[in-house]
Amino acid sequence: DSGVTQTPKHLITATGQRVTLRCSPRSGDLSVYWYQQSLDQGLQFLIQYYNGEERAKGNILERFSAQQFPDLHSELNMSSLELGDSALYFCASSEHGKGPEAFFGQGTRLTVV
Amino acid sequence: QKEVEQDPGPLSVPEGAIVSLNCTYSNSAFQYFMWYRQYSRKGPELLMYTYSSGNKEDGRFTAQVDKSSKYISLFIRDSQPSDSATYLCAINAGKSTFGDGTTLTVKP
Repeated sequence: DSGVTQTPKHLITATGQRVTLRCSPRSGDLSVYWYQQSLDQGLQFLIQYYNGEERAKGNILERFSAQQFPDLHSELNMSSLELGDSALYFCASSEHGKGPEAFFGQGTRLTVV
Repeated sequence: QKEVEQDPGPLSVPEGAIVSLNCTYSNSAFQYFMWYRQYSRKGPELLMYTYSSGNKEDGRFTAQVDKSSKYISLFIRDSQPSDSATYLCAINAGKSTFGDGTTLTVKP
């Protein structure tokens, strides 16, 4: 158990809908990262937050947004969902926001039908 | 061209074999180099990371970085069936870029 908690574990939704994925980092970790993993794209960095502020941005679509709350948990909001958004979404956390992403959650499997 | 290219595999070896997993990268600005192990349907697990060229050893695992050739490797000695997983290299220059992974099967 990495200490990073993601909910829900599985999510099935229809095209055009909106969903929110939640991540609770390890106790004491200030930085949260979001990743998308699909069969054809591999593990793709989406966005990083550090202590509530956006730190780095990757290949995150405009239909997606994220935030980190004062209690350090983070949410990834995804709207106007398309079939191609079906993937595993991982959250990772680290203490300082520098250095490697050391602890990944178990992921949320999103299926868009 | 991808920033990080990883030998695709899959790789199947007998128990006890030495395994070599390899990646190349294109961006000289990369600051540190990581190897992750991912079991099926699980999150990646950080195995090792290093900042510099040379070797770094941790038990049966050795990470090797050659910055002049832009080449990184992970060696697994005395491989075990429990090492069967997908191995991801990742390289960071402010944000991490991952290889596509190499799936390893170690047969008893």
